[in-house]
Amino acid sequence: ETTLTQSPAFMSATPGDKVNISCKASQDIDDDMNWYQQKPGEAAIFIIQEATTLVPGIPPRFSGSGYGTDFTLTINNIESEDAAYYFCLQHDNFPAFGQGTKLEIK
Amino acid sequence: EVQLVESGGGLVQPGGSLRLSCAASGFTFSSYWMHWVRQAPGKGLVWVSRINSDGSSTSYADSVKGRFTISRDNAKNTLYLQMNSLRAEDTAVYYCARAWYFDLWGRGTLVTVSS
Repeated sequence: ETTLTQSPAFMSATPGDKVNISCKASQDIDDDMNWYQQKPGEAAIFIIQEATTLVPGIPPRFSGSGYGTDFTLTINNIESEDAAYYFCLQHDNFPAFGQGTKLEIK
Repeated sequence: EVQLVESGGGLVQPGGSLRLSCAASGFTFSSYWMHWVRQAPGKGLVWVSRINSDGSSTSYADSVKGRFTISRDNAKNTLYLQMNSLRAEDTAVYYCARAWYFDLWGRGTLVTVSS
């Protein structure tokens, strides 16, 4: 079974910053990587599919990159509304999640 | 509105049972695989179980195999998770999610296993 290592667990940013969140898979998963945003008490939102494809309706300041074992979620020109918990997911036969990243906006 | 709404969580004693429900609306429920995912306090998300669109195929994480049963009623647009022989380590917020690629999530329901 594939495991995911996500980092950092916590990060703080200022509006206008660019941030990167990493997710590393324990084995090659091609592009079977999704990214999600979750705010307290709300449903998680699907933001990046198949490693690099922006889900319709998601602002273009969000982007994904990577293939195989190393993946990155990038948020450009951060806004205060981007404060949330972000997690990665590989969706093969036994889905696995990264440990999550709490993003704080100063 | 396209949404998933979980219910049925609560406080239960170790060894007890609980049935969670996930009500789907705004889309053709019977066309989608569905999942249950949980998150223990202060921990990451963990996949629990999956069921195909007509309910004929199911999969479970090893930690719940033999104790939990996933099912669905497509006429009622509802997904279920029957949880038996509950343990303290099953304490978590339980989420339902849609499709093989988890494109829609609910807000979750809290299950607390404690005496």
